[in-house]
Amino acid sequence: GQQVMQIPQYQHVQEGEDFTTYCNSSTTLSNIQWYKQRPGGHPVFLIQLVKSGEVKKQKRLTFQFGEAKKNSSLHITATQTTDVGTYFCAGREYGNKLVFGAGTILRVKS
Amino acid sequence: NAGVTQTPKFQVLKTGQSMTLQCAQDMNHEYMSWYRQDPGMGLRLIHYSVGAGITDQGEVPNGYNVSRSTTEDFPLRLLSAAPSQTSVYFCASSYLTQGQETQYFGPGTRLLVL
Repeated sequence: GQQVMQIPQYQHVQEGEDFTTYCNSSTTLSNIQWYKQRPGGHPVFLIQLVKSGEVKKQKRLTFQFGEAKKNSSLHITATQTTDVGTYFCAGREYGNKLVFGAGTILRVKS
Repeated sequence: NAGVTQTPKFQVLKTGQSMTLQCAQDMNHEYMSWYRQDPGMGLRLIHYSVGAGITDQGEVPNGYNVSRSTTEDFPLRLLSAAPSQTSVYFCASSYLTQGQETQYFGPGTRLLVL
């Protein structure tokens, strides 16, 4: 079945440093979604990417969808303490269910 | 709008007991889903529904039942609780417009099965 792998599992950065998490699917996706979950909270939808090679920005966050629609990345520029949490990608095959990656835990040291 | 609400927030069960986790949304979304979240495993889909009267199985449906009699409500039933069902359960609803899907999660129910 479809698998979505996410790396790294955990990253601890100094405030102001950049952060990137990567997502790889075993199959071609129709779309990929990104979520953020604060400690003790629930996942919050960030964005959806649909097109091959798509790049979207939200302030300091940059999301990319690979040309083959099998991988994606989330890059945060100049991390802040408010960026702390777990970032999940979730991929959907055409006509199929949404499958989540295991998430990347981000800790920011001030 | 209250968004997606879940009750209870916390629950402790003994092995073999049954219970229903409630989920409701007031956004008139057609799609609703139940996920469980375990450490290091992300979110796994239990059951989902694409509209009232329609449900289907996700990745890990065993031991759980769902029904969708109305657009608003999507309860999850544990038939005979087992310690392996200790987890955090999230309900979500979503809508699709012009190819864009947006999914909203409820606050979660933390379940401990002894």
